[in-house]
Amino acid sequence: EDQVTQSPEALRLQEGESSSLNCSYTVSGLRGLFWYRQDPGKGPEFLFTLYSAGEEKEKERLKATLTKKESFLHITAPKPEDSATYLCAVGQGAQKLVFGQGTRLTINP
Amino acid sequence: NAGVTQTPKFQVLKTGQSMTLQCAQDMNHNSMYWYRQDPGMGLRLIYYSASEGTTDKGEVPNGYNVSRLNKREFSLRLESAAPSQTSVYFCASIPPDRGNSPLHFGNGTRLTVT
Repeated sequence: EDQVTQSPEALRLQEGESSSLNCSYTVSGLRGLFWYRQDPGKGPEFLFTLYSAGEEKEKERLKATLTKKESFLHITAPKPEDSATYLCAVGQGAQKLVFGQGTRLTINP
Repeated sequence: NAGVTQTPKFQVLKTGQSMTLQCAQDMNHNSMYWYRQDPGMGLRLIYYSASEGTTDKGEVPNGYNVSRLNKREFSLRLESAAPSQTSVYFCASIPPDRGNSPLHFGNGTRLTVT
């Protein structure tokens, strides 16, 4: 059975304090690992897709990396506007996506 | 472009009442999805429609029905609401698969069943 586990559940950082979020997965026939950002009261917003081990993608202060068993979302020098819940999803296409429970990130000024 | 639009944003029902959640997308996407999101759990797929005229069950379909009215609209119906259906419901769509495209989500309907 496909599974996705995100850790930690919640993370508080000071502005400028870099850290990483983890997404561990077990899935047969990975066709993509997705990272989404979700703000309170909003739907998830797409950030990255990673397809193969060793792949990295960056966007502003965020960098996503992928190994055969997990993905990391690295946040460098975060700002308060980076506060959100970050969701990871893996699967064999949209009909078979499995989402993690998310990491709630808070950046204090 | 509005993207994916969901109505209503909030709804309170009593046990046994029925309602329909509406979803429309203006991106000419083929596939549409209904998810529910509960605290401490990942998004779970209720139903999806791979193309106009087709619908299929997802992970948690019990207690729900769907209608793909046309290419733009995909509705979710609760025939007899139960407290266990208290959740936030998200509609999403996806373009034709060009290498595993990401989902585009609406902003959700927050449903409370008392």
